[in-house]
Amino acid sequence: EVQLVESGGGLVQPGGSLRLSCAASGFSFSNYWMHWVRQAPGKGLVWVSRIKTDGSSTGYADSVKGRFTISRDNAKNTLYLQMNSLRAEDTAVYYCARMVPTSIGLDYWGQGTLVTVSS
Amino acid sequence: QSALTQPPSASGSPGQSVTISCTGTSSDVGGYNYVSWYQQHPDKAPKLMIYEVSKRPSGVPDRFSGSKFGNTASLTVSGLQAEDEADYYCSSYAGSNTVVFGGGTQLTVL
Repeated sequence: EVQLVESGGGLVQPGGSLRLSCAASGFSFSNYWMHWVRQAPGKGLVWVSRIKTDGSSTGYADSVKGRFTISRDNAKNTLYLQMNSLRAEDTAVYYCARMVPTSIGLDYWGQGTLVTVSS
Repeated sequence: QSALTQPPSASGSPGQSVTISCTGTSSDVGGYNYVSWYQQHPDKAPKLMIYEVSKRPSGVPDRFSGSKFGNTASLTVSGLQAEDEADYYCSSYAGSNTVVFGGGTQLTVL
């Protein structure tokens, strides 16, 4: 069974940092592109970032470029999102998701982890 | 990276069909056959319903179908059922290793 479990969310002050993790199981993690998508409370889905199977290619939304870094450890079957210079508008549930090969569709999602940026 | 445009709400009676639109530009929806649709029930993670414009993942009922014409993609739900009531989001590849979502449509089954 495919499982994605996010962790690392919590309360952080503006300007602070946080690292999210997404532990993957039930599939060959190293063969899949992975994404982060966020959802502010009561709002819609917003794409954040994606990373290629071997980590050699990444993409970011303009709103997080230069502040967030996506990475992965295929030996640990884990996806990461390092978030720096956090702002109040980064407050959201952060989901990791697996991408359908050669497509853009995200076929498996984690349950999400809540990040709250507030003083 | 502007969000794709979806109507905020849509509705239909059980058994009817409803179509949700998703309008982008030639840089996203119109430029690639990489449009996906997601269903999200309250406090749940999104579920992939359609990918690559019109493909259905295993387990998704064939009542759900997708299409695209120019810069606008559409999701049609036929034979509406109560459990179809949810938020629906479109997304598209937008070039340069980026993806964009629509603002979401709240579907109500009357």
